[in-house]
Amino acid sequence: NAGVTQTPKFQVLKTGQSMTLQCAQDMNHEYMSWYRQDPGMGLRLIHYSVGAGITDQGEVPNGYNVSRSTTEDFPLRLLSAAPSQTSVYFCASSYSLGQGNYGYTFGSGTRLTVV
Amino acid sequence: SQQGEEDPQALSIQEGENATMNCSYKTSINNLQWYRQNSGRGLVHLILIRSNEREKHSGRLRVTLDTSKKSSSLLITASRAADTASYFCATVRGYSTLTFGKGTMLLVSP
Repeated sequence: NAGVTQTPKFQVLKTGQSMTLQCAQDMNHEYMSWYRQDPGMGLRLIHYSVGAGITDQGEVPNGYNVSRSTTEDFPLRLLSAAPSQTSVYFCASSYSLGQGNYGYTFGSGTRLTVV
Repeated sequence: SQQGEEDPQALSIQEGENATMNCSYKTSINNLQWYRQNSGRGLVHLILIRSNEREKHSGRLRVTLDTSKKSSSLLITASRAADTASYFCATVRGYSTLTFGKGTMLLVSP
């Protein structure tokens, strides 16, 4: 049981390049989400999904696209990388504990540098 | 905007001492969670306290929640050097997504 797997762990991009950050979970969790963490900050929500085929924007969605074709996978696409997108990206999956409560599992993160 | 705000931003103590971190939030919540993040690593879930709970314990951790003041505290008793990390509170923001504070950086010296 691998939990939440993110690839790659590290990536350097040039401004204007595009790439996809991969996230996969093997726990059959319904909900998945992407966060970014900048130095000295907590995590901020980029996009999230409440199930296959359903996605929505979070707090900082600009410059990112997502899709959820399967329960297991939730890739994050950078359309045209900018230095402001230099950050550590975390994927999380979650499941309902009932009564509006959820359990969460986070991936180990992808450290992205845009030069 | 960030829902939770931790206080203090940084805390430095000696091994064996207790560490207390506080979190304030703005809107009503279903639950509040605390996470630990070691330098350069992912987040580890520590404890979840529901809105109808006032206090919860897990090992050396004690969490309190005061919904009337919209605040929570995390107490780590008998701290160890291995407790050195950043600690974040997070509240559930609809559809199971989390809203995090900026964190408290805890340094425990031997």
